[in-house]
Amino acid sequence: TQLLEQSPQFLSIQEGENLTVYCNSSSVFSSLQWYRQEPGEGPVLLVTVVTGGEVKKLKRLTFQFGDARKDSSLHITAAQPGDTGLYLCAGEVREGGSEKLVFGKGMKLTVNP
Amino acid sequence: EPEVTQTPSHQVTQMGQEVILRCVPISNHLYFYWYRQILGQKVEFLVSFYNNEISEKSEIFDDQFSVERPDGSNFTLKIRSTKLEDSAMYFCASDFLGYTFGSGTRLTVV
Repeated sequence: TQLLEQSPQFLSIQEGENLTVYCNSSSVFSSLQWYRQEPGEGPVLLVTVVTGGEVKKLKRLTFQFGDARKDSSLHITAAQPGDTGLYLCAGEVREGGSEKLVFGKGMKLTVNP
Repeated sequence: EPEVTQTPSHQVTQMGQEVILRCVPISNHLYFYWYRQILGQKVEFLVSFYNNEISEKSEIFDDQFSVERPDGSNFTLKIRSTKLEDSAMYFCASDFLGYTFGSGTRLTVV
């Protein structure tokens, strides 16, 4: 059974601070996806990383996939109140011609003005 | 931007009743999924559907659950006899070079 552990689970910071969220597993994934989820809504895809060691940037967000494709991190620079939300990582598992996502529990971020 | 549409947004049902949750995936997507999220817990995979058949299902997806794509556009999840522990947010997703999730149906079993 594949498991993804996210840390920290909760983070409350001031506007302008930097932060990093970690997503770790003992399993190898075909890809690692990061989502943001607002209360009462579905997850919204932010980025997909596929290659070990890959780094992707989305404005102030930097995503990295570990060399062994077992872990990932999300770094936010100069956080803003609009970044407040639940950030989920999800590993893609491909077996026998089918695929599914295994989600972490998420990191609830609060950015205070 | 194309969306995955789910109806209803909220459903309250009596224990033992059947419910059907409906989804309209993005039209050119080929892979369809149902996930659920019990309050305060992880999003969990239920079932994947490709080429008009189930390609994988989780342990949660027992004989009480079924999926259908009756008309080429709708994708439904049926729970035949609901239990209290089926209360959750149910998300439909479709995939073509990236997942798109619907806004979910909040199912409350009383």
